This record gives sequence, structure tokens and C-alpha cells, in this order.
Amino acid sequence: GESVGLHLPTLSVQEGDNSIINCAYSNSASDYFIWYKQESGKGPQFIIDIRSNMDKRQGQRVTVLLNKTVKHLSLQIAATQPGDSAVYFCAENLANDYKLSFGAGTTVTVRA
Amino acid sequence: GAGVSQTPSNKVTEKGKYVELRCDPISGHTALYWYRQSLGQGPEFLIYFQGTGAADDSGLPNDRFFAVRPEGSVSTLKIQRTERGDSAVYLCASSSSKSAGELFFGEGSRLTVL
Repeated sequence: GESVGLHLPTLSVQEGDNSIINCAYSNSASDYFIWYKQESGKGPQFIIDIRSNMDKRQGQRVTVLLNKTVKHLSLQIAATQPGDSAVYFCAENLANDYKLSFGAGTTVTVRA
Repeated sequence: GAGVSQTPSNKVTEKGKYVELRCDPISGHTALYWYRQSLGQGPEFLIYFQGTGAADDSGLPNDRFFAVRPEGSVSTLKIQRTERGDSAVYLCASSSSKSAGELFFGEGSRLTVL
């Protein structure tokens, strides 16, 4: 069967390795999903988004995967760098709505 | 500046006092949001403005909280009779979209109620 990634509050990654951050969302009617990165003392910063009619979207060094069957979202970061150390949040949104609901964040620490 | 600006960045007040937090959104963004972030948590929605009007204030925790955006640009979040439980980072975000799209967040105002 297909495995479902667990949400972990912290993730330690060796510099240069790939990171995978998981998120389980709550509402099967959610239509739009965003990953945000939040560095200490700063506001969340947009990384990448995906709509429910897609299952994968790639950006620069990042890929978001969406599995609607199990309501699971993941963010993959290729060749993790020290500047990637931050808290990462997934957020979901209902169609034609304006509110984002944020999940519990994952703190990523990159080891040199 | 080009980003969302929030002032003050830090505010320490005593229980029972009145506080105002200001947000200056990105120029031309019609949508403005206030979120509250407690330590170790994700941001929680408080209120949404489209233009001058509060389109949804369902996230405001009680009637001690109020927000205005009189000219459709700068917004002020007002908290009366502050309580220790109000301590959090208050984040403002703006967007050019009427539905949720990419939100541009400010750096937040950290409120500490003693």
C-alpha cells in the first residue's frame, strides 16, 4: 500500500541532502495549498503553491506533492542549504474562499 | 518599502491597557488580513478586509478586538483591556487577489502583556 508520511515537528538534515516535509490537511474540500517558510523573527514567506487539480508542482529546488486520496501534502527541498533552516508551514484553502488555515509547522535544521 | 510594514515591531504593555497595532500593506493590494501566531503554532486567521470593509471578522476572539481600514490601505488592529493571553505575534498580510492566493506577510508585531 501507499505510505503516508507522518508530520514531524522537527527535522534535522545534512547539508546537501534532500529534505522531505510532510503535512496532513484536514478538509477534503480544500482546493488550494501553499507552503510557507518562516525564519526566526520574520513573517511567513511564500515558497510554492498547488491547486487540487494537480498532484505535483516544481519550483526552484522545491517540489510539492499532493495526494488527495489520503489528504497529504509534502514539500521536497533538493540539496538542502544552511539558508533553508526555518519553520515550514503548509496552509489550505477552500475554493473561492480567502482564509488560509495553517498546519502545525516543521522546524528544519540543516547540519553543516 | 516594497513589502508589508508593521509597527511597532515589539510592544510590551500591562494587563488592562489599550493597544494599537498598525499595518501598511503593499501598495495597490486590496485584500488585507490579520493573523495571530502564538509561540510554536501556525498563524490563526483573525480578520479579512477587501477594500475598506471587513469582509470577515469571524476570527476575532472576542469584542475586545477590533480592526479598521478606513481608506482601504493602512489598517489598525485595536485591542482593549489587554489580557496576558493576548500575548502573541500579530501578523498582517496583503494580497492582490480577492480569493486566497499568495499572501505577502509583514514581519509581525510582537505583543507582550505583563
